[in-house]
Amino acid sequence: AQSVTQLDSQVPVFEEAPVELRCNYSSSVSVYLFWYVQYPNQGLQLLLKYLSGSTLVKGINGFEAEFNKSQTSFHLRKPSVHISDTAEYFCALHGSSNTGKLIFGQGTTLQVKP
Amino acid sequence: ETGVTQTPRHLVMGMTNKKSLKCEQHLGHNAMYWYKQSAKKPLELMFVYNFKEQTENNSVPSRFSPECPNSSHLFLHLHTLQPEDSALYLCASSPRIPGQGNTEAFFGQGTRLTVV
Repeated sequence: AQSVTQLDSQVPVFEEAPVELRCNYSSSVSVYLFWYVQYPNQGLQLLLKYLSGSTLVKGINGFEAEFNKSQTSFHLRKPSVHISDTAEYFCALHGSSNTGKLIFGQGTTLQVKP
Repeated sequence: ETGVTQTPRHLVMGMTNKKSLKCEQHLGHNAMYWYKQSAKKPLELMFVYNFKEQTENNSVPSRFSPECPNSSHLFLHLHTLQPEDSALYLCASSPRIPGQGNTEAFFGQGTRLTVV
């Protein structure tokens, strides 16, 4: 079975501070990994994805994530956050052998304070 | 704008009503999905359609009835819902290449459903 665990349900941080949102996964097959962002009353928007190749992946809005196979992690980072980054963030995976169905973590609420 | 459009954006219905949610994509994708997002809960996959065929029903109650007439359109027909069915219903689509684990899903903005 495959699963995704987001270790923090809420992350409060001050504006211009760095942030890391943690994601761990479990899978017996190779995986594709994604981070999505959801602003209030909106759908999910893709931030970045890891398919293969370089383990450091850069996405939109200054976010990046690092795939660590030995630690089965895919943590999301940003060196300096803005108020506008306040949103819900979801880590997701799907295995290389399944139908493309995404399995989501529980979500992390990033609260950026002035 | 992700290329996936859901209508209506908001819906209030009584428990005896029948209504439908609509999802449309013109991205050339072959797989479409319905997800339910309730407060304080993770996203729940409800249905998966691949090339218009339903490939997954995640133990969804029969009061939710999906329909996929073609690869561009997906409906969710609702009848005799319960208040606990109130949630944000998200549609998504993705390319589907057999044998290759593709990849990115594109989401609509969702329909906020309230059952009274």
